[in-house]
Amino acid sequence: GAGVSQSPRYKVAKRGQDVALRCDPISGHVSLFWYQQALGQGPEFLTYFQNEAQLDKSGLPSDRFFAERPEGSVSTLKIQRTQQEDSAVYLCASSHSGRGALSTDTQYFGPGTRLTVL
Amino acid sequence: GENVEQHPSTLSVQEGDSAVIKCTYSDSASNYFPWYKQELGKRPQLIIDIRSNVGEKKDQRIAVTLNKTAKHFSLHITETQPEDSAVYFCAATLSNFGNEKLTFGTGTRLTIIP
Repeated sequence: GAGVSQSPRYKVAKRGQDVALRCDPISGHVSLFWYQQALGQGPEFLTYFQNEAQLDKSGLPSDRFFAERPEGSVSTLKIQRTQQEDSAVYLCASSHSGRGALSTDTQYFGPGTRLTVL
Repeated sequence: GENVEQHPSTLSVQEGDSAVIKCTYSDSASNYFPWYKQELGKRPQLIIDIRSNVGEKKDQRIAVTLNKTAKHFSLHITETQPEDSAVYFCAATLSNFGNEKLTFGTGTRLTIIP
């Protein structure tokens, strides 16, 4: 079946522009995560959704970062007034588990969006 | 919060030899430890995982061991092949009925020398 998809795959923005990154999780997956991966580093957690509820946004680096998942499926990560330090690959992951799950389910990652801020 | 350290950062082994990558974690409550393989420009893919109620898990040429007392876990790849060349990430999380945000190590670039 279809895996996690993300669009666009590449995005170049001028400093100060707003960008929107889209994630389509695996159908039926309750949990959705956003991670930021800087060059040569491991992914770092940004935010977590359980269905449409954003239950953890502790990893968002500033109030310029905003994420939503209004219908509990597709999610959008928005970055306002982009800065050079925002340049990274933004990964989305989904898993089947959610509230009431008794064990950890595998997180399946999308291919990422590579954001370059000039 | 959780902190995961991973060593070595780069590793080169002759084809057919074994490779070992080690990780330590800080939060003794963490109970799930996945390993991901990431090829250049590709998405991270799960290759094996282990939960805190077991000490070792094997899947063909890949094995993972967990020492809860010492808070470290290791990935073992035997009979390495050129297609094993990639960056490997360990991760840890506390299974918490859904919010299983992963804390990743910094990665190991594994190169298999033909």
